Amino acid sequence: AQSVTQLDSQVPVFEEAPVELRCNYSSSVSVYLFWYVQYPNQGLQLLLKYLSGSTLVKGINGFEAEFNKSQTSFHLRKPSVHISDTAEYFCAVTSSGGSNYKLTFGKGTLLTVNP
Amino acid sequence: EAGVVQSPRYKIIEKKQPVAFWCNPISGHNTLYWYRQNLGQGPELLIRYENEEAVDDSQLPKDRFSAERLKGVDSTLKIQPAELGDSAVYLCASSPSGRTNTGELFFGEGSRLTVL
Repeated sequence: AQSVTQLDSQVPVFEEAPVELRCNYSSSVSVYLFWYVQYPNQGLQLLLKYLSGSTLVKGINGFEAEFNKSQTSFHLRKPSVHISDTAEYFCAVTSSGGSNYKLTFGKGTLLTVNP
Repeated sequence: EAGVVQSPRYKIIEKKQPVAFWCNPISGHNTLYWYRQNLGQGPELLIRYENEEAVDDSQLPKDRFSAERLKGVDSTLKIQPAELGDSAVYLCASSPSGRTNTGELFFGEGSRLTVL
C-alpha cells in the first residue's frame, strides 16, 4: 500500500513570486507519481506525472516537479505564479507494477496567490 | 473528445432519503472509478470497475452504498438511506486499460451532495 503526505495544507504567496508545494510518499514498491489541480467546483485536472526517466518533469501552466527517490519526495514548483494559479493541488501515487492502478491522494494544498 | 460526464452536479436531500449519481466515462476507457472527496480532503476510492466487473470495492460502505456498471460503459452510484456524514463530492474517473494505461485518471466535474 502507498501513502502520500502533503506537508502544507495552505500556501499563500504574492503574484509573480516562486512557489514550492511539498509532497512526500511512502511505498515498498516502485511508483508512478502525479500532481493534480482542482479549481473551485471543478474536477481534478492532471498537471504532470512521473513514470520513469528524467527526474525533472515539466507540466502544464509552467509547473514542474522533481522526483527524489532517496528522499521519497515529489515537490511541485513554479518560478512565478499568477492569480489564476489559485487552486487546490493534490499529489497522488500508485504502484508502477501491473496494469491495475489505484491512485492514493494526499489531503491537498490550497495555493492562494495574492495581488 | 468528450470528457467524463457526471450528473447531477448538485443534490440536496434530507437524511434517510435515497440518492443516485450517474457517470459516463470517456469513450473507450474500460476502467471506471468512483471517489469520494470530503471537504478539505483528497479523494478516496470507493470502487473500481474493469468493464462491468467491480474489481476493488473494499472501501465501499456496502450497508448503504451500491454501484453498478451493467454494460461496462456508464455507471450509477446509489446511497440509501443517506446520512449526514455522506455530504461530500462524489467524483467519477476513467482510464484506459492495458498498455495505454499509465495510471493517469481522467475526472469528471463531480456531484456535490448535501444531506440535511
